[in-house]
Amino acid sequence: DQQVKQNSPSLSVQEGRISILNCDYTNSMFDYFLWYKKYPAEGPTFLISISSIKDKNEDGRFTVFLNKSAKHLSLHIVPSQPGDSAVYFCAARPLGGKLIFGQGTELSVKP
Amino acid sequence: EPEVTQTPSHQVTQMGQEVILRCVPISNHLYFYWYRQILGQKVEFLVSFYNNEISEKSEIFDDQFSVERPDGSNFTLKIRSTKLEDSAMYFCASSEFLAGGKETQYFGPGTRLLVL
Repeated sequence: DQQVKQNSPSLSVQEGRISILNCDYTNSMFDYFLWYKKYPAEGPTFLISISSIKDKNEDGRFTVFLNKSAKHLSLHIVPSQPGDSAVYFCAARPLGGKLIFGQGTELSVKP
Repeated sequence: EPEVTQTPSHQVTQMGQEVILRCVPISNHLYFYWYRQILGQKVEFLVSFYNNEISEKSEIFDDQFSVERPDGSNFTLKIRSTKLEDSAMYFCASSEFLAGGKETQYFGPGTRLLVL
């Protein structure tokens, strides 16, 4: 099932700089997109979401951009902090409840 | 802040044995989910549950799996006869609604199941 893809398994960024995590999807019926952060041996923690009727949503240091024509989603973290180091998953929801997850991108923010 | 809780955190079982994984969703939430993550793979949807019924299930959720809300707070996943390939991290999630800005699914910390 490749409906949601995160093509970069890892990303390394300097503290204070911008982190950009990318996600592509194939199903135009997805109506809701979310980003989760996950530490080892813990459950996914909700970060930010965006409805398919919007193209941007911002919450503090986190901004999610949605480009429906390109079927592309990105998460921007500005400024990046060492505590942001974790695995980030994008998830998409078709009409209904279930979430379809990407493979995850491991972000490392170096001091 | 309200959170989803899961017990046990770890479970080791022999192949063929039954296991029950327990979850307490956030109290005012109406929709409940189970997902799993096999080591090194994606988080995969198993089943969703609303109004005491399964709303949707994946191909993984075969006759060996069942879910139940035995009382007003617990939500359980039962695997009747475990197989080696059931070894995974199992996550429970809940959401208040399916739309209207309250559709975010909040996840529990997971139960790590190891089948020997």
